[in-house]
Amino acid sequence: EAQVTQNPRYLITVTGKKLTVTCSQNMNHEYMSWYRQDPGLGLRQIYYSMNVEVTDKGDVPEGYKVSRKEKRNFPLILESPSPNQTSLYFCASSSTGAALNTEAFFGQGTRLTVV
Amino acid sequence: ELKVEQNPLFLSMQEGKNYTIYCNYSTTSDRLYWYRQDPGKSLESLFVLLSNGAVKQEGRLMASLDTKARLSTLHITAAVHDLSATYFCAALGAGSYQLTFGKGTKLSVIP
Repeated sequence: EAQVTQNPRYLITVTGKKLTVTCSQNMNHEYMSWYRQDPGLGLRQIYYSMNVEVTDKGDVPEGYKVSRKEKRNFPLILESPSPNQTSLYFCASSSTGAALNTEAFFGQGTRLTVV
Repeated sequence: ELKVEQNPLFLSMQEGKNYTIYCNYSTTSDRLYWYRQDPGKSLESLFVLLSNGAVKQEGRLMASLDTKARLSTLHITAAVHDLSATYFCAALGAGSYQLTFGKGTKLSVIP
C-alpha cells in the first residue's frame, strides 16, 4: 500500500531537548516536504527536498533542520525545541519532482508539544 | 512572495445547495492544488490544476483555474453532509518548488 509514514504520532518534550521526527515513503517519490499546521494559520511549509541531497527552505525554516540521505526518508530535526514549535506536523511526498504535476500524499501527522 | 487567500474561511450550508470557495493568489503560480482535511485527520489530495482554464470534477466537487485572474474556485453542487471538512488550496510559485497554502475553508453541511 502506498503510504507516507511519520513517527512518532504524538510527542511531548521539554525545551531544549533535541528531537527527530521521522518520515518515510514507499512510492519512490522525488519530492518530499514538511509542514506545520497551526489554528488559524493553515499549513506552512518548513523545508522541502527535490531529491537526495537536495533540500531548500520553505516559509518557516527557523529552528528546524532536515536531511535527505536516502530517497525514501526525510527526517525533521529540532536541535533545541522551544514552546513556539508546539504544533501539528505533516510530511508529504509526490512524484515528478521537477514539475509537481501529481497529487501529494500526506503522512498521518505528528502532534508535538514542547513544554 | 506568494500569498494565497481563501474565502470564505467558514461556510455553513444546507444540504442540496450549491456554493463556491474562492482561492486568490498574489503572484504568478505554476500549479494550483486543492486538499481536503477531515477533523483530526491528515490531508487528502483532491485536484491538481496545471494550466489556465483547467477544470476538474470529482463527484459533487468541481475545481477551476484562471491564471489571468490568479483565481481558483472549488464549486460544490448539491451539498451532502459527507462533504463537511476543511478545504485548502495551495499554490506553487512560478519557477519554484515552494508550496504556499491558504488558511483553509471550514465547510459544514447541515441537514
